[in-house]
Amino acid sequence: DVKVTQSSRYLVKRTGEKVFLECVQDMDHENMFWYRQDPGLGLRLIYFSYDVKMKEKGDIPEGYSVSREKKERFSLILESASTNQTSMYLCASGRDSANTGELFFGEGSRLTVL
Amino acid sequence: AQKVTQAQTEISVVEKEDVTLDCVYETRDTTYYLFWYKQPPSGELVFLIRRNSFDEQNEISGRYSWNFQKSTSSFNFTITASQVVDSAVYFCALRSNAGGTSYGKLTFGQGTILTVHP
Repeated sequence: DVKVTQSSRYLVKRTGEKVFLECVQDMDHENMFWYRQDPGLGLRLIYFSYDVKMKEKGDIPEGYSVSREKKERFSLILESASTNQTSMYLCASGRDSANTGELFFGEGSRLTVL
Repeated sequence: AQKVTQAQTEISVVEKEDVTLDCVYETRDTTYYLFWYKQPPSGELVFLIRRNSFDEQNEISGRYSWNFQKSTSSFNFTITASQVVDSAVYFCALRSNAGGTSYGKLTFGQGTILTVHP
């Protein structure tokens, strides 16, 4: 069974803290993505990675960074968390760019910043 | 730029009613792919269907059916004889290369919350 695993389902952090959200996939996928989900806004792409150590900005990268040191792992980093980053974060993976298949998603990490 | 619009924020029906979820998309590409995902309360998005821009045939899978019309840029999703287990958030999404490679990234609509009452 294919799997995308996000390390934390629920996190509560304070403003200014550094936050790491981890995502691991076991499907040997080339591409990995971080989306943010907010009511009424759907899913918005923060960053994605198409290879180890490669990354590209999505639609809303401000305030975030990412790291992909190994193919199976993609981390989202909030250098200094702010209250407007309270949200549900969803990690996804997919095959290479030539593939037209679907993305596979993790269960999400709900982050609250106080 | 590409865009997906799901105008229905919330829909509430009673079990066994049919319900249609609307999706309208915008893209300049001639080759693109459309998707529907279901997000149950557990949070994980579940893939339902993929349709490419060259295939306008409607598709039926059990109680689910999809109507793709390029002329109106719509990809609507109908659930026949709805059940309580269909209660979820449903997302329509678009993938197009927009002149380059997309690396598989999807543009999502705002989502439609479907509640099916017993």
